[in-house]
Amino acid sequence: GENVEQHPSTLSVQEGDSAVIKCTYSDSASNYFPWYKQELGKRPQLIIDIRSNVGEKKDQRIAVTLNKTAKHFSLHITETQPEDSAVYFCAAHNTDKLIFGTGTRLQVFP
Amino acid sequence: NAGVMQNPRHLVRRRGQEARLRCSPMKGHSHVYWYRQLPEEGLKFMVYLQKENIIDESGMPKERFSAEFPKEGPSILRIQQVVRGDSAAYFCASSPSEGNEQFFGPGTRLTVL
Repeated sequence: GENVEQHPSTLSVQEGDSAVIKCTYSDSASNYFPWYKQELGKRPQLIIDIRSNVGEKKDQRIAVTLNKTAKHFSLHITETQPEDSAVYFCAAHNTDKLIFGTGTRLQVFP
Repeated sequence: NAGVMQNPRHLVRRRGQEARLRCSPMKGHSHVYWYRQLPEEGLKFMVYLQKENIIDESGMPKERFSAEFPKEGPSILRIQQVVRGDSAAYFCASSPSEGNEQFFGPGTRLTVL
């Protein structure tokens, strides 16, 4: 079955710096890759996603890149703000379900 | 347009009791997914249902756990004879179709004493 690995597990940055979170997946049949942000005690919220026929997608300060050949995808957050602090999860859609990475705890210090 | 609804938000059960978790998908969504999240961990797929059908239950323990999504009413995740290891947050997500965005409910936090 599909396996998704996510790195790093924790990431601390200064406000205004960029943050990059990387994920790899194992099954080349996976075709949809969403990213979720989860604040403490809250539900996961979809922040951006990308499909396998696209290499890059951007939405304001957030961008996602996908390398199908290498089977990895990354989340890029520019000009980070304290409110970006949360746990971020990548996921790969395989067959009929999402397989999640283990999460990255991002802390943005003012 | 209301989002995904889950109830109860918090549930406390003693070992051996039954836990019943409910999920109402977003309007127009006919695909429901259940995930379990242990403290400080990621989300683990449990089961995928469409109306009156279980499509994929590969992530659900074979014993004590069951799920349904009847023609009328919410989807229900049922845990019989709960044990302490069942303590977790259970999230439901819905989607308008397979392979598209999944929107999550607020979760039910189950505590087994």
